[in-house]
Amino acid sequence: EILLTHSPATLSLSPGERATLSCRASQSISSYLAWYQQKPGQAPRLLIYDASNRATGIPARFSGSGSGTEFTLTISSLEPDDFAIYYCQQRYSWPLTFGGGTKVEIK
Amino acid sequence: EVQLVGSGGGLVQPGGSLRLSCAASGFTFNNFGMHWVRQTPGKGLEWLSYISSGSTTIYYADSVKGRFTISRDNAKNSLYLQMNSLRAGDTAIYYCTKDQMLGTTGSFDVWGQGTMVSVSS
Repeated sequence: EILLTHSPATLSLSPGERATLSCRASQSISSYLAWYQQKPGQAPRLLIYDASNRATGIPARFSGSGSGTEFTLTISSLEPDDFAIYYCQQRYSWPLTFGGGTKVEIK
Repeated sequence: EVQLVGSGGGLVQPGGSLRLSCAASGFTFNNFGMHWVRQTPGKGLEWLSYISSGSTTIYYADSVKGRFTISRDNAKNSLYLQMNSLRAGDTAIYYCTKDQMLGTTGSFDVWGQGTMVSVSS
């Protein structure tokens, strides 16, 4: 089973700041990584698929990069609506696995 | 509107059974693979099971293999999860979700609202 590790666990930032979230895989997963955003009481929302492709309707301030074992989600300028928990997830091999998440909170 | 609506959750005793359902609308259901994912406060998001568009390929997480059964009825645009031998550790919110693209699996672009399953005596 592929383990995904987020860093940091919590990111405290102000609106307008840049957020950089990392996800590390326990083995190479090529570019088969997705990022999701989840707010309290809601289902996760797909932001990025296959490491760097924005899903339909996702604003351009969200971008993804990386391959192999190191991945990054960048939010170029945080909007008030962006404070949430972000999860990475791999689809390289079964079982599909999620990371434990990074919480982006208001500083 | 593309939508998944889950149902069937509730309170069940350890060792009991439940059947979750997920009604799909707004897209061609029989073209897409479907999954069940659950979420607990302690273990976060956990993928449970996958079924291909034609039900020919099915996968399970080890944690539910032999106890849970995924199925679908394309004529009814519905996905199911039969859960047997339930344990306290199965207490979670259960989401149905769909594959994002035809021909690939494992990125989830549409999620149900989640249905709560509580296993307790």
